Amino acid sequence: AQKITQTQPGMFVQEKEAVTLDCTYDTSDQSYGLFWYKQPSSGEMIFLIYQGSYDEQNATEGRYSLNFQKARKSANLVISASQLGDSAMYFCAMRGHYNFNKFYFGSGTKLNVKP
Amino acid sequence: DGGITQSPKYLFRKEGQNVTLSCEQNLNHDAMYWYRQDPGQGLRLIYYSQIVNDFQKGDIAEGYSVSREKKESFPLTVTSAQKNPTAFYLCASTPLGASGSSDTQYFGPGTRLTVL
Repeated sequence: AQKITQTQPGMFVQEKEAVTLDCTYDTSDQSYGLFWYKQPSSGEMIFLIYQGSYDEQNATEGRYSLNFQKARKSANLVISASQLGDSAMYFCAMRGHYNFNKFYFGSGTKLNVKP
Repeated sequence: DGGITQSPKYLFRKEGQNVTLSCEQNLNHDAMYWYRQDPGQGLRLIYYSQIVNDFQKGDIAEGYSVSREKKESFPLTVTSAQKNPTAFYLCASTPLGASGSSDTQYFGPGTRLTVL
C-alpha cells in the first residue's frame, strides 16, 4: 500500500531563516515520483518541486530543495530564507508504479512565517 | 492560456438537493481527478478518470457520481446520499505518464460547497 506521512501539523519559522518540512512515504514500488505542493489560504494548489526515485541528486528549485533519503523513505522539503509569503499549507505527494496515475497525498503541514 | 477552470467558486445547497460541480481543462490531459478537502485537512480522492467514458472510484466515492463524456470535461455530482458534503472540492489533471513520471497534477481553483 502507498502511504504518505507528514508528522508536523503546524510549524513556525522566523522570516529569513530556513525550515524543513518532513515527509516519509511507504511503498514497495521501485519506481515512483515525489512531489511537494503549496496551498495558500486562497485554496489553489501550487506545484513546488519533484524528485524521482532514481534521481541521484537532490532536486532544487530556487529557494526550495528536497532532501531525499531513499533508504529512510523520506523526502523532506527545505525552504531557505523564508518569506512572509511562504505562510501556507504544504503537501507531500507520491505517484507510484502500480496504478501510476493515482497520486497519494499526506495530511499537510501548516507553515507560519513570523516577521 | 492553458489551465483548469472550476465553477462555481462558491455553491450553496439545500439538504436533499443534488448539485453538479464543473471542471474543464484545455491542457489536453488524459487523466482527471476530483478531491475533497475538509478544513485543515489533506486531499481525499473521490473519483479519477484516465480516459473518456471510463472512471474509477477513489477512497470516498460514496454519495458522489461523475461522468467523462469529453476529454476536456469531468463534472462531479454531489448527491443527496452524501451526508456531509460541505467541503472544498478540487479538480486536477495530468498527462498519462510512466511510473514515477515527473508530470505533476495541475489543479483548478476549487469550489467551496456549503450545505444550508
